[in-house]
Amino acid sequence: DAGITQSPRHKVTETGTPVTLRCHQTENHRYMYWYRQDPGHGLRLIHYSYGVKDTDKGEVSDGYSVSRSKTEDFLLTLESATSSQTSVYFCAIRRDSQETQYFGPGTRLLVL
Amino acid sequence: RKEVEQDPGPFNVPEGATVAFNCTYSNSASQSFFWYRQDCRKEPKLLMSVYSSGNEDGRFTAQLNRASQYISLLIRDSKLSDSATYLCVVPRDSGYSTLTFGKGTMLLVSP
Repeated sequence: DAGITQSPRHKVTETGTPVTLRCHQTENHRYMYWYRQDPGHGLRLIHYSYGVKDTDKGEVSDGYSVSRSKTEDFLLTLESATSSQTSVYFCAIRRDSQETQYFGPGTRLLVL
Repeated sequence: RKEVEQDPGPFNVPEGATVAFNCTYSNSASQSFFWYRQDCRKEPKLLMSVYSSGNEDGRFTAQLNRASQYISLLIRDSKLSDSATYLCVVPRDSGYSTLTFGKGTMLLVSP
């Protein structure tokens, strides 16, 4: 158990509304990640963070923003949700001095 | 060549069978790679790491062929509980700051 929680776990929203997903870790690791997973595409990196206020884009960052004001929380925001952002969103952490990543339970987002 | 390629399957095998998956990759100078396992509607979980010398963990053996740029996973004596999707994972940089995930190979083990 890597001590990662995601909230909400499920969300249904309408096109054009803002949505914020939260990832919380209890172990204070530097690296945190947001992925989306879609059929036929696998896991794709949206944004990642390597410290408080330090973030970088992944391969599918358009339409998403992130913030990290505390070590333990990494927020993903969809400023104006679109149907193409319907997906399962996973947060992950990388433990300091390790190479691998550990995932949270995921958030299922449906944009109508 | 795409960054990480896997046969999507599904591989249908009976209990007790031996099954092998391959994964090909490009553009990685990393020393180690990874196999993750993902159950339906669950998060991916680390199965094992793959080093140049290979790695064995019980019924699971992973090998790395750096010259041919492929990684393999061998599962012996398959169990029903092995049914899952297996993701091949390649670091994008030597610092392991980001990873590239394959789309996965589905394994179905039947009684």
